[in-house]
Amino acid sequence: GAVVSQHPSRVICKSGTSVKIECRSLDFQATTMFWYRQFPKQSLMLMATSNEGSKATYEQGVEKDKFLINHASLTLSTLTVTSAHPEDSSFYICSARDLEDLKQYFGPGTRLTVT
Amino acid sequence: AQSVTQPDIHITVSEGASLELRCNYSYGATPYLFWYVQSPGQGLQLLLKYFSGDTLVQGIKGFEAEFKRSQSSFNLRKPSVHWSDAAEYFCAVGDDYKLSFGAGTTVTVRA
Repeated sequence: GAVVSQHPSRVICKSGTSVKIECRSLDFQATTMFWYRQFPKQSLMLMATSNEGSKATYEQGVEKDKFLINHASLTLSTLTVTSAHPEDSSFYICSARDLEDLKQYFGPGTRLTVT
Repeated sequence: AQSVTQPDIHITVSEGASLELRCNYSYGATPYLFWYVQSPGQGLQLLLKYFSGDTLVQGIKGFEAEFKRSQSSFNLRKPSVHWSDAAEYFCAVGDDYKLSFGAGTTVTVRA
């Protein structure tokens, strides 16, 4: 089956630093990837839609200058949390939409802790 | 606007007993409905989905769900629960492009 990986799985960073999270579709191509944020015991909230070769589309309330998204190839999208603060601590999950079957496949998530 | 409500935050069920998870949705057009399962520290795995046609949908791992338009519901069921079914379950609605998720239901399975 289609596999999506995320790296790193866990990261701890200091307040004010930037962190990059990678999302890769391992065995399929994805023109569209999605980034979600999940708070403890809560649902996934869509942050942005990442389209290969073009700018990401951000959901209302999501700061595009803080959460930089780059989708440089059909198998890789990156989310950079800039100038991270403790309130950015969360579980970030990506999904990738298979170009062929149009289904969304989810990555395992990245746990970000900002100290 | 689309939204999903999962009324039950936590359900405990005995192994071998039946399970039903509730999901109500709000959507302007004919919805695409999904159920996902998330194990601790893991991503989401699709259990089943409804686009059109037969309102009783069969999924993986012995799960099924029934779409009831009159009740705006898409409840998930399993006749006999296994200990490995302990997880977080999310109902989602969307157009197969952008999804809106419910808050999730945690299922605990007791021996």
